[in-house]
Amino acid sequence: AQKITQTQPGMFVQEKEAVTLDCTYDTSDPSYGLFWYKQPSSGEMIFLIYQGSYDQQNATEGRYSLNFQKARKSANLVISASQLGDSAMYFCAMRELRGGATNKLIFGTGTLLAVQP
Amino acid sequence: DTAVSQTPKYLVTQMGNDKSIKCEQNLGHDTMYWYKQDSKKFLKIMFSYNNKELIINETVPNRFSPKSPDKAHLNLHINSLELGDSAVYFCASSQQVGGGKETQYFGPGTRLLVL
Repeated sequence: AQKITQTQPGMFVQEKEAVTLDCTYDTSDPSYGLFWYKQPSSGEMIFLIYQGSYDQQNATEGRYSLNFQKARKSANLVISASQLGDSAMYFCAMRELRGGATNKLIFGTGTLLAVQP
Repeated sequence: DTAVSQTPKYLVTQMGNDKSIKCEQNLGHDTMYWYKQDSKKFLKIMFSYNNKELIINETVPNRFSPKSPDKAHLNLHINSLELGDSAVYFCASSQQVGGGKETQYFGPGTRLLVL
């Protein structure tokens, strides 16, 4: 069965430093997609970054990058040069891609990031 | 210019009542979803519709009934509300593009409190 694990319930980081949020996943399907979402205190879910299981390179989007280690089944989110506005809950999610598969995302439990000035 | 919108944003009601949450997306997507986020922030899919057809129903009590009048709308009706239904309900949408890169875009959420 699919599973996403985020082992860090909460983290602190100093402003302008980089931080890594951990995510491991479990799936028997060779085709899958991994997503990261940000949920600030205002409550909305904001898409950050996507990594496909067959992508050769790690995904990057501005200050966000995904450290994808397929053999370890990990997809850690790296935020560079943290800003106060990065303080939020971060969710890792996975979608299996087998033919005819449904589109549901399986979410982890989230990591609450606090950026300190 | 909200991409995925939900109404109402807050919903406070008594146990046993029936209520509806509406969702609309203006992204031209063909798939829409309802997710539930519980008090511990855990997000779980409830339903998914593709071109007005139900494709996911994740063992949700039949008090919950989604309705999709067209591709741009997916409403959620809840009968006989219970205390345990208190949660944040998110609508999302995505476009089938193949290769599994369909990104789901979420609405702002509806905070339901059942008293």
